[in-house]
Amino acid sequence: KAGVTQTPRYLIKTRGQQVTLSCSPISGHRSVSWYQQTPGQGLQFLFEYFSETQRNKGNFPGRFSGRQFSNSRSEMNVSTLELGDSALYLCASSHGQGAAYEQYFGPGTRLTVT
Amino acid sequence: AQKVTQAQTEISVVEKEDVTLDCVYETRDTTYYLFWYKQPPSGELVFLIRRNSFDEQNEISGRYSWNFQKSTSSFNFTITASQVVDSAVYFCALSEETTDSWGKLQFGAGTQVVVTP
Repeated sequence: KAGVTQTPRYLIKTRGQQVTLSCSPISGHRSVSWYQQTPGQGLQFLFEYFSETQRNKGNFPGRFSGRQFSNSRSEMNVSTLELGDSALYLCASSHGQGAAYEQYFGPGTRLTVT
Repeated sequence: AQKVTQAQTEISVVEKEDVTLDCVYETRDTTYYLFWYKQPPSGELVFLIRRNSFDEQNEISGRYSWNFQKSTSSFNFTITASQVVDSAVYFCALSEETTDSWGKLQFGAGTQVVVTP
């Protein structure tokens, strides 16, 4: 089975621009979660989608949004980029929704905001 | 408040030594799950193990072993006979059963393990 894939792997944007990151979960997985990883804050939960609905959201400003499609693929969007948005964005998928399911992570998208 | 604490920032060992990573968690839930993930330099988080709050049986998988103790809220991880390929950052994570925690892993700060030949 193919793992979680994320595109693009690397991205350089300018402050004020917007960006869209894409995630394809493992086949059969219906839940997709997004995380931001920075040296200062570590790994932080952004949001989780299940059956095209956002079920949970972390403590991030409204500039961070996402969506999930009927094939479980997910995108996250960051508008009006700030320098502090530079981070590794990780997507994870799991077979079901709930605390019991282990999450499998993709390789991440490294976003640099200049 | 930090729910998962990994007090060790970095551990350096020589190959074949054992290394133990500490993890202390905090939750009010009676049902929760604990995880360990490995992040090699490539950046991808690799799932290692999941434990639920009702199963305190320790586990051994190859060179890896885990010690879960609810009485001390700890879920420690030991690598026996370490190898250079074990060099990575290791994260402990907590997942709670409450509705507002669905799909949310709460990670510790991670412990960098450096294994030298």
